Amino acid sequence: DSGVTQTPKHLITATGQRVTLRCSPRSGDLSVYWYQQSLDQGLQFLIQYYNGEERAKGNILERFSAQQFPDLHSELNLSSLELGDSALYFCASSVMAGNTGELFFGEGSRLTVL
Amino acid sequence: TQLLEQSPQFLSIQEGENLTVYCNSSSVFSSLQWYRQEPGEGPVLLVTVVTGGEVKKLKRLTFQFGDARKDSSLHITAAQPGDTGLYLCAGRYGGYQKVTFGTGTKLQVIP
Repeated sequence: DSGVTQTPKHLITATGQRVTLRCSPRSGDLSVYWYQQSLDQGLQFLIQYYNGEERAKGNILERFSAQQFPDLHSELNLSSLELGDSALYFCASSVMAGNTGELFFGEGSRLTVL
Repeated sequence: TQLLEQSPQFLSIQEGENLTVYCNSSSVFSSLQWYRQEPGEGPVLLVTVVTGGEVKKLKRLTFQFGDARKDSSLHITAAQPGDTGLYLCAGRYGGYQKVTFGTGTKLQVIP
């Protein structure tokens, strides 16, 4: 158990809909990262937050947004969903923004768009 | 732009064999990690290397960081079925905050 909690574990929805994925980082970790993993593909970096502020952005679509709240949990919002958005979405946390980059991952949220 | 390339992409070997997985980049890493991921689960951190030329051992796994900090290798001795999984390298470059993952090596160890 990494200590990172993600909900929901599975989500099935239709094209055009909007969903919210939630992540609670490990106790004491201030930094949260979001990654997308499609079938047979690697982990694509979406966005990183540190103590409530956005610190780095990857190839995140404009239909996607995220935030980190004062209690450090984070939410990833996906809207106007398309079939190609079906993927595993991982949240990871680390102690601080400037560390060596060690990440602790949740079990992921599997999104299926029909 | 894919900054981290891993090879091979797929590897299927018999139990007891040795193998090496490579991770290469044209950029210098400030730090590099290796993770293992099993189907339907999140990646799990195996090791972090920071210093050029560094070698770390974790039981039957040996990790090496290149002298120029642009490449790394993972060597597994006497592979076991429990080693089956997706091996990912990940690196942080200079002052960038994001951690970039490699393309991954899918390993299957056949009993």
